[in-house]
Amino acid sequence: DIQMTQSPSSLSASVGDRVTITCRASQSISNYLSWYQQRPGKAPKLLIYAASSLQSGVPSRFSGSGSGTDFTLTISSLQPEDFATYYCQQIYNTPWTFGQGTKVEIK
Amino acid sequence: EVQLLESGGDLVQPGGSLRLSCAASGFTFSSYAMSWVRQAPGKGLEWVSVISGSGGNTYYADSVKGRFTISRDNPKNTLYLQMNSLRAEDTAVYYCAKDRGGGTGGYGMDVWGQGTTVTVSS
Repeated sequence: DIQMTQSPSSLSASVGDRVTITCRASQSISNYLSWYQQRPGKAPKLLIYAASSLQSGVPSRFSGSGSGTDFTLTISSLQPEDFATYYCQQIYNTPWTFGQGTKVEIK
Repeated sequence: EVQLLESGGDLVQPGGSLRLSCAASGFTFSSYAMSWVRQAPGKGLEWVSVISGSGGNTYYADSVKGRFTISRDNPKNTLYLQMNSLRAEDTAVYYCAKDRGGGTGGYGMDVWGQGTTVTVSS
């Protein structure tokens, strides 16, 4: 199975900060990577698909990059509604696997 | 409006069975792969299973293979998850999710239900 490792596991940031979350796959997954946002008590929300494509309706401050084994989710200017947990997921091979999550908290 | 609504979650004893349902509306159900994803209390997301739009192809996480069965009824726009031989570690919120694409999916899950809670305990 492909293992997905996110870093950091949590971070504290202020409104307006630039935030970067990384995700590393245990083998090459080309660009078969999605990013999700999950607010407490809510279902996950798709932010990015195919590593760098912005899902319809998602603010442009979110962006994704990477290919192969190393990927990045960037929030260019953190907004109050962005405090949440973020997950990457590889969809290259089944079983599809998620990273352990990165919790973004208010500083 | 595109919508998914899960049901069927309950408290069940270890070794018991449960069937979850997910009613879909607002899109052509048979054109899209569908998945189940679960989240244990205080834990991260775990993908459980996916089924192709036609229902002809299914895949499972190792943790549920041989115990869970995913299926769909396209005329009824409904996705199912039959769960047998339930264990305490199956306790979680179970979400159904629509894939962005057809076939067996793998394009990202763009619509999610609100989740249904399964508790396995004696």
